[in-house]
Amino acid sequence: GAGVSQSPSNKVTEKGKDVELRCDPISGHTALYWYRQSLGQGLEFLIYFQGNSAPDKSGLPSDRFSAERTGGSVSTLTIQRTQQEDSAVYLCASSPRLAGGNEQYFGPGTRLTVT
Amino acid sequence: AQSVTQLDSHVSVSEGTPVLLRCNYSSSYSPSLFWYVQHPNKGLQLLLKYTSAATLVKGINGFEAEFKKSETSFHLTKPSAHMSDAAEYFCVVSDWSGNQFYFGTGTSLTVIP
Repeated sequence: GAGVSQSPSNKVTEKGKDVELRCDPISGHTALYWYRQSLGQGLEFLIYFQGNSAPDKSGLPSDRFSAERTGGSVSTLTIQRTQQEDSAVYLCASSPRLAGGNEQYFGPGTRLTVT
Repeated sequence: AQSVTQLDSHVSVSEGTPVLLRCNYSSSYSPSLFWYVQHPNKGLQLLLKYTSAATLVKGINGFEAEFKKSETSFHLTKPSAHMSDAAEYFCVVSDWSGNQFYFGTGTSLTVIP
């Protein structure tokens, strides 16, 4: 079946502009995660959605970052007033949220370049 | 708190020789553990997972990992490296709820022809 999709695959933006990154999770997956991966680095957790519960925003690096998930499916990550240090690959993952041991399924990522 | 330590940031092996990527975890309960692989410019793909069943877990592409509670380790192995194994590998532990995942910093595997 269809996997996690993300759009755009690449985004180049000027410093100070706002950007929106989109994630379409696997149908039926109740959990959705956003991560950031800077060049040569591991994954940095940003935010987590689980069903209708309030999201876990503990990883968002600043108030310029926000995310929403509409109808328990598609999610949008918004970065306002982008800075050069925001340049990274933004990865989305979904999970079926079964009993413990459920793995994450990752999208291909959006490569964001802030000039 | 849960955490993962990948002991080697970079491993280099010759084609056809064994691969060992080391991972130690910290967890106050029986964890779920995962290994993911990331090929250049690709997303992360699940290699294998441990969820308190058999301690020796077999994954895709000939990889396997052994959960050792006494050593708090979950090392990834493969008997014979292939050129296509060159990638970044991440060890991951999930929290008690299975909701939150903690990633290691990754190990870059180079395979020398």
